[in-house]
Amino acid sequence: DIQMTQSPSSLSASVGDRITINCRASQNIGNLLNWYQQKPGKAPKLLIYAATSLQTGVPSRFSGSGSGTDFTLTISSLQPEDFASYYCQQIYRISQVTFGGGTKVEIK
Amino acid sequence: EVQLAESGGGLIQPGGSLRLSCVGSGFTFSKYEMNWVRQGPGKGLEWISYISPVTNTVYYADSAKGRFTISRDNDINSLYLQMTSLRAEDTAVYYCWGRGYDRSGYFDLWGPGTLVTVSS
Repeated sequence: DIQMTQSPSSLSASVGDRITINCRASQNIGNLLNWYQQKPGKAPKLLIYAATSLQTGVPSRFSGSGSGTDFTLTISSLQPEDFASYYCQQIYRISQVTFGGGTKVEIK
Repeated sequence: EVQLAESGGGLIQPGGSLRLSCVGSGFTFSKYEMNWVRQGPGKGLEWISYISPVTNTVYYADSAKGRFTISRDNDINSLYLQMTSLRAEDTAVYYCWGRGYDRSGYFDLWGPGTLVTVSS
């Protein structure tokens, strides 16, 4: 299986802060990486696909970078509605899709 | 409205069986790859199973192999997960998830989830 290691597992930040979340794959996955946001009791929502492409309707303060094994999700100016959990996901191997362990973004 | 809706969850005893269903509406269901993903209480997301749009190629996570069966009926826009020999560790919210590329870009759609509780 392709292991996805996400860091940090949690972070505290203030409204207006710039934050980054990292995700590392155990092997080269090209750009076949997605980022999701999940709020309590809700289904995940796609933010970024193919490592860098912003999903339709997602605010431009969200951006993704990276390829190969190292990827980053950046929120340029944290908004109150952004406090949530975030997950990376590899779809390089659709026979064994894997998610990172998640990052919980909390209010400082 | 484009949506997926799961049903069939509930309380089941260890060793029991349950069949989850997911109905799609507002989009061409037969075009997209479908999956089941689950999330245990307080835990992260775990992919369980995949089925291709038409050829019914299927894949399973090790935790599901031999116990769970995924299927679909494109005529009625439905996805299923037959679960047998259920264990306490199968307790989770189960989501159906569809994905693929279309003229609009990347299609990615999740249902709201259905809760399965395995307990005596």
